[in-house]
Amino acid sequence: DVKVTQSSRYLVKRTGEKVFLECVQDMDHENMFWYRQDPGLGLRLIYFSYDVKMKEKGDIPEGYSVSREKKERFSLILESASTNQTSMYLCASTPPRGPLHFGNGTRLTVT
Amino acid sequence: AQTVTQSQPEMSVQEAETVTLSCTYDTSESDYYLFWYKQPPSRQMILVIRQEAYKQQNATENRFSVNFQKAAKSFSLKISDSQLGDAAMYFCAYRSALNTGNQFYFGTGTSLTVIP
Repeated sequence: DVKVTQSSRYLVKRTGEKVFLECVQDMDHENMFWYRQDPGLGLRLIYFSYDVKMKEKGDIPEGYSVSREKKERFSLILESASTNQTSMYLCASTPPRGPLHFGNGTRLTVT
Repeated sequence: AQTVTQSQPEMSVQEAETVTLSCTYDTSESDYYLFWYKQPPSRQMILVIRQEAYKQQNATENRFSVNFQKAAKSFSLKISDSQLGDAAMYFCAYRSALNTGNQFYFGTGTSLTVIP
């Protein structure tokens, strides 16, 4: 079974802090994704990566950046956390033409 | 861009009964993939079922089956013999089969309550 691991299940950070959300997958998938999930808005794509060091903006990239230095790891970075970034963050990976495999989510609270 | 619509924000079903969750999508492509995901309170998104557009046969996985109507661009999920553990948020998703089809498009979800 594919395993996608997000490093933290809950995080509480202060406004202005730099925040790193880490995601690791163990199936050698080329494609990795970061989504944000908010009630009533569904899943919104922040960034995705289709190869090492390659990335593309999704629908809501403002305030976020990403890093993919190794194939198995995809990091989401909040350069200066703000309260409107309080949300659930989901990482996922997928092979070509396959389904998304999700991590179990990180609930981030910015105070 | 493709859009996916789930018109039922909330649904409920009696335990052991059958419920159908609706999903429609808009695309100009002829080859694509459709998925249903379940998200229980534990937050883990779980793949329930997948359908490849070029296959006419409706996919089934145990108590879960789909009604795929390609011309109508409809992809509903039927849950038979509903169980308490089926209570969750359900998301419909679309993926292009093109080589550049890296993006997934999600509906806004349907919250399913199972009544004992």
